[in-house]
This record gives sequence, structure tokens and C-alpha cells, in this order.
Amino acid sequence: AQSVTQPDIHITVSEGASLELRCNYSYGATPYLFWYVQSPGQGLQLLLKYFSGDTLVQGIKGFEAEFKRSQSSFNLRKPSVHWSDAAEYFCAVDSGGYNKLIFGAGTRLAVHP
Amino acid sequence: EPEVTQTPSHQVTQMGQEVILRCVPISNHLYFYWYRQILGQKVEFLVSFYNNEISEKSEIFDDQFSVERPDGSNFTLKIRSTKLEDSAMYFCASRLPGQGINEQYFGPGTRLTVT
Repeated sequence: AQSVTQPDIHITVSEGASLELRCNYSYGATPYLFWYVQSPGQGLQLLLKYFSGDTLVQGIKGFEAEFKRSQSSFNLRKPSVHWSDAAEYFCAVDSGGYNKLIFGAGTRLAVHP
Repeated sequence: EPEVTQTPSHQVTQMGQEVILRCVPISNHLYFYWYRQILGQKVEFLVSFYNNEISEKSEIFDDQFSVERPDGSNFTLKIRSTKLEDSAMYFCASRLPGQGINEQYFGPGTRLTVT
């Protein structure tokens, strides 16, 4: 069965530091992968997506993610974190068929000034 | 930019009562979804809807739940007799038609509190 694992529940970084949020997936076919961000009390905003092609994808707000098939990973990165990036980040895989999304448990990011 | 809207933003109801959560998907989208997120937990798929019928549903989506597209714009989720464990944030999502992969656009959510 398809699944998504986000090993880090909480991450704290200093403003200006680099960030990497981990995501591992389990999916039999070519995965379609997404990162969403959820600010407190808000809905889910799409940061970036991977369908095919270049394994390094660029998203909004300066985020990027790299798809590594050999490691079944789709880690999210940002070279320099801003205080406004504090939020919860969800990795998701499209299940195919009618395309329900399967989400990871999320990583809560705190940013120290 | 078009967006998915949901009403109400917060609904408080007593156990056993019926609630209807409303969503207006993006106008040219044809696939619709409901997800829920219990506080502090992951976002879980409830149901997908296409061509005026349920295309897939999870084990959470039991007989107490139903969905409807009563007109050309609204997409509703009804819970017939709410339980305490139905307290959660409910998200509606929609996506473009056609085969292939398109991202889902999420609404801001409705927080349901069952007392």
C-alpha cells in the first residue's frame, strides 16, 4: 500500500539557516509527489510538485525538492529560512486512479530569530 | 486567482446532530475531494467525487457520511449524526479534469467541533 513517512515531527532552525525536511514514500509505480504547507489556522498551500522529468523541482517561496528514486525520497530544502516559514509541512503522494492524496504526518517547523 | 471556498469556517454542534459542510470548488474543476485532519494528526482522505458519483471512499467514510453536488457550484459533506470523534478540520479540494496528474487545490477548511 502507498504510504508517506516524514521522520521528523518537529524541527527548529535559526532564521537564515538552511533547511531540509525529509520525506520517504512507498509506491509501486512512478510516484507523483507534492509538498504542501499549512500555516496555523490556515488551509493547505501547494509549495511544489514532481510529476516527471528533472528530479530537482523548484517551488514557491524559495523552496526546492529533489526526487531520488533509489532512496524513495523527496526531501524539501530551502537555503535560507525566514521567520515567516514557520508552519507545518506535509509531503504527499498521489495514489493514481481518482488521485486521492496520501499525506505524511507532517513536520512542524519553528524558526528562531 | 480562482480558489476553493468553504463555509462555515467553524461549526459547533452537539453530538447526534446533523451537519452540512459546504464547499465551492474552482469552476472548471470536475474532480472533488473531502479530507479531514483531526487536531495534531495527519490529513486523511475521506472521499472523491466525479461525474456526480462517489469514485472512491475511505473506511472512515461510513454510512453516517454523504456527499452531494446539489447544483453546478456547491459540493457538500453531510454527517448525519455527529460523534465526538468527528471533531476535526475538514478540507475540500478540487482539481482539473482529464487523465494525468494535476494538483489538488484546497479550501481553507471548516473546523467542526462536536460537543
